[in-house]
Amino acid sequence: ETGVTQTPRHLVMGMTNKKSLKCEQHLGHNAMYWYKQSAKKPLELMFVYNFKEQTENNSVPSRFSPECPNSSHLFLHLHTLQPEDSALYFCASSPTSSGDTEAFFGQGTRLTVV
Amino acid sequence: GENVEQHPSTLSVQEGDSAVIKCTYSDSASNYFPWYKQELGKGPQLIIDIRSNVGEKKDQRIAVTLNKTAKHFSLHITETQPEDSAVYFCAASIQGGDKIIFGKGTRLHILP
Repeated sequence: ETGVTQTPRHLVMGMTNKKSLKCEQHLGHNAMYWYKQSAKKPLELMFVYNFKEQTENNSVPSRFSPECPNSSHLFLHLHTLQPEDSALYFCASSPTSSGDTEAFFGQGTRLTVV
Repeated sequence: GENVEQHPSTLSVQEGDSAVIKCTYSDSASNYFPWYKQELGKGPQLIIDIRSNVGEKKDQRIAVTLNKTAKHFSLHITETQPEDSAVYFCAASIQGGDKIIFGKGTRLHILP
């Protein structure tokens, strides 16, 4: 248990659906992240939030829309996804958004787009 | 752009033997090098990290070495055990430490 909780663990959605991934941390961290993990590819940083403000959008398509209502919660809203968006999506948090501190990852959501 | 190369992609080691995973990085300003372990069905978890002001760090059966001149760093696991079976990711900080990028991962199998 890392202190970062993601729901749901598994999600199957059609290309016309709208769904959301949820992440929650009670570690007192100020930075939260969304990562994408595809087969045979490195973990790809998608978004960074620091004190609820988005500080990084790593050229992610607009069909992925993050939301950070407070420092403890992070959402990833999904709409009109493509089959190639099928992957594992991880939320992570760290004390600060500096790249030289430990990141605590959730257990991930396995997303399948059909 | 900056990248991190990791080798091998798969490694099988007899239980009790040592395992070594190697990474190279491209950003000469990188100064933080964490290693994460990902077990099946779980998210990555930090197991050890090293900063550029040291060349080696050890924590029980795990050690990491860093060669800044050659821009490579390695993870060493000694006396491997079945619970060491997992995917291991190296990473390096880039852009003055503002973010990190990951290697592609090494799937380690410990053979009984």
